[in-house]
Amino acid sequence: GIQVEQSPPDLILQEGANSTLRCNFSDSVNNLQWFHQNPWGQLINLFYIPSGTKQNGRLSATTVATERYSLLYISSSQTTDSGVYFCAVEQGSGSRLTFGEGTQLTVNP
Amino acid sequence: NAGVMQNPRHLVRRRGQEARLRCSPMKGHSHVYWYRQLPEEGLKFMVYLQKENIIDESGMPKERFSAEFPKEGPSILRIQQVVRGDSAAYFCASSANRGSISEQYFGPGTRLTVT
Repeated sequence: GIQVEQSPPDLILQEGANSTLRCNFSDSVNNLQWFHQNPWGQLINLFYIPSGTKQNGRLSATTVATERYSLLYISSSQTTDSGVYFCAVEQGSGSRLTFGEGTQLTVNP
Repeated sequence: NAGVMQNPRHLVRRRGQEARLRCSPMKGHSHVYWYRQLPEEGLKFMVYLQKENIIDESGMPKERFSAEFPKEGPSILRIQQVVRGDSAAYFCASSANRGSISEQYFGPGTRLTVT
């Protein structure tokens, strides 16, 4: 099956810093989503981004489908950004998501 | 517009008991997915259902686990004769799957503890 690799596995930042999280996948995909799992365990949808670039406030994402990677940018990080960031891909249309192992982000005040 | 709803949020069962987890999809969504997250791990797909149909159950353990999504009511994930290894967070997601758009939205999860 498809492999999804996220890097770095862990990231510690000071409040106000910027960061880039990466997601590589081993085959062509129909859909790619970024999620934030907060410290209470809830999964928050960040982006639905099979290709191109999207921005939402301090967060933006870019997916280059032909090169099989996606990037999540977090600018001016805040302590509330702490948690695990997951990338997930879907190969068929309307089928299962395959998740990466996540990036654990800690933002210190 | 209510999101995906799951209940109970926390469930404690003794070894050998049955666990029933419920999921109500977002309004207008007819596709339901169940995922399991073991401690300190990512989410793993279990099963994909539409109303009255199991579309893909390739991620479901062959024994003790079953899922349904009846014509009326929520989707149910049922685990019979639970064992300690079943302790995990179980997430349900739903999507509308209109055209090429298939974004999945997740519920808050049910945290199952087997004692």
